[in-house]
Amino acid sequence: SYELTQPPSVSVSPGQTARITCSGDALPKQYAYWYQQKPGQAPVLVIYKDSERPSGIPERFSGSSSGTTVTLTISGVQAEDEADYYCQSADSSGTSVVFGGGTKLTVL
Amino acid sequence: QVQLQESGPGLVKPSQTLSLTCTVSGGSISSGDYYWSWIRQPPGKGLEWIGYIYYSGSTYYNPSLKSRVTISVDTSKNQFSLKLSSVTAADTAVYYCARGVVVAATPSYYFDYWGQGTLVTVSS
Repeated sequence: SYELTQPPSVSVSPGQTARITCSGDALPKQYAYWYQQKPGQAPVLVIYKDSERPSGIPERFSGSSSGTTVTLTISGVQAEDEADYYCQSADSSGTSVVFGGGTKLTVL
Repeated sequence: QVQLQESGPGLVKPSQTLSLTCTVSGGSISSGDYYWSWIRQPPGKGLEWIGYIYYSGSTYYNPSLKSRVTISVDTSKNQFSLKLSSVTAADTAVYYCARGVVVAATPSYYFDYWGQGTLVTVSS
């Protein structure tokens, strides 16, 4: 079955830039989406269609795509950004939704 | 503002059927290009998509769960429901309902509104 691969953890100091990657063979053909999940809460969409930002999401969140890898970038990381981040996409047929395993962002 | 709320038993015995309902408020389940979806998250683990239903009743399920899953819709009550049969401890998870937004001219969709989630434990 199709998989999306994320690093288990990323650590950055406040004010630095965090980059979280997500790799999958179908990503050149399928959009990617990113969710932020804080403990005990439902996920929140932070990026859609690879690089679009929903209203209400701070400008420091951005997304990009290159080949089989998509990247979520958080510029000027703040303590409140500490959370788990999940990428989401679909298999090559577009019919099955797949989530990455998640990346825990730690703000040092 | 669209809101989704899961409801159902928090404890299910092994081999029985898990049943949950999602009530949608602030918008009609019959309007727009939305895939009304179920997603689950075992304790301490990642997200797993279960499947979706369109307001017309058409469904699509995760192939790994397809043999045990049924999702249905009741447009008169603005609700959709999940049934998962023959449950085991591996089905213990927080179950979320979510609204899937279809990206125009593509089969792709993403989840913009989520319920708060409900923990279902499978145990005798």
